[in-house]
Amino acid sequence: EVQLVQSGAEVKKPGESLRISCKGSGYTFPRYWIGWVRQMPGKGLEWMGIIYPGDSDTRYSPSFYGQVTISVDKSINTAYLQWTSLRASDTAMYYCVSSRVLDYFEYWGQGTLLTVSS
Amino acid sequence: DIQITQSPSSLSASVGDRVTISCRTSQSVSTYLNWYQQKPGKAPKLLIHTASSLQSGVPSRFSGGGSGTNFTLTIKSVQPEDFATYHCQQTDGTLTFGGGTKVEIK
Repeated sequence: EVQLVQSGAEVKKPGESLRISCKGSGYTFPRYWIGWVRQMPGKGLEWMGIIYPGDSDTRYSPSFYGQVTISVDKSINTAYLQWTSLRASDTAMYYCVSSRVLDYFEYWGQGTLLTVSS
Repeated sequence: DIQITQSPSSLSASVGDRVTISCRTSQSVSTYLNWYQQKPGKAPKLLIHTASSLQSGVPSRFSGGGSGTNFTLTIKSVQPEDFATYHCQQTDGTLTFGGGTKVEIK
């Protein structure tokens, strides 16, 4: 059974840095795309970016390019989403997603709630 | 970027009703259009991919159709567990989602 388990909720202050994680299991990690989707409070879904662990091919939505960094550690089947300087507007639920193909997102993590507030 | 217009933004339906949700894209995406269901406090779940392919385990009362720029999600006879928010997504180029449709009980 494919599972994506994300790190826990975070409360941070503006300007702080953060890395959240998503650990995949039940499948061949390097062969599935793994990415991130943002959902701001009461809003719709926004694709942020995605990476192919096998060769680290990484693609970002233009809206998030330069704002976040997506990476993986194949040795522990884990993907990361990183910010260097958080803003209040980063407050949202972040979902990791995984799929064999880029055409759709087959599997979703449980979500990581990020609250950024002074 | 390809824009998606999803409609309606919300609807009310009774158990057993036929429900149809639409997504229109700003340019052709062929059949690269997917549908997800999201219940309150939960992660979205893939229902239909590539316009009309039912994801494994999804009840057959759900169906998808369309190609090019116009797509629909139909729930043949809506059940209590189907009250949720539905999102469409296009994956032809930069991935984008529609604004969502909340299906509520009448």
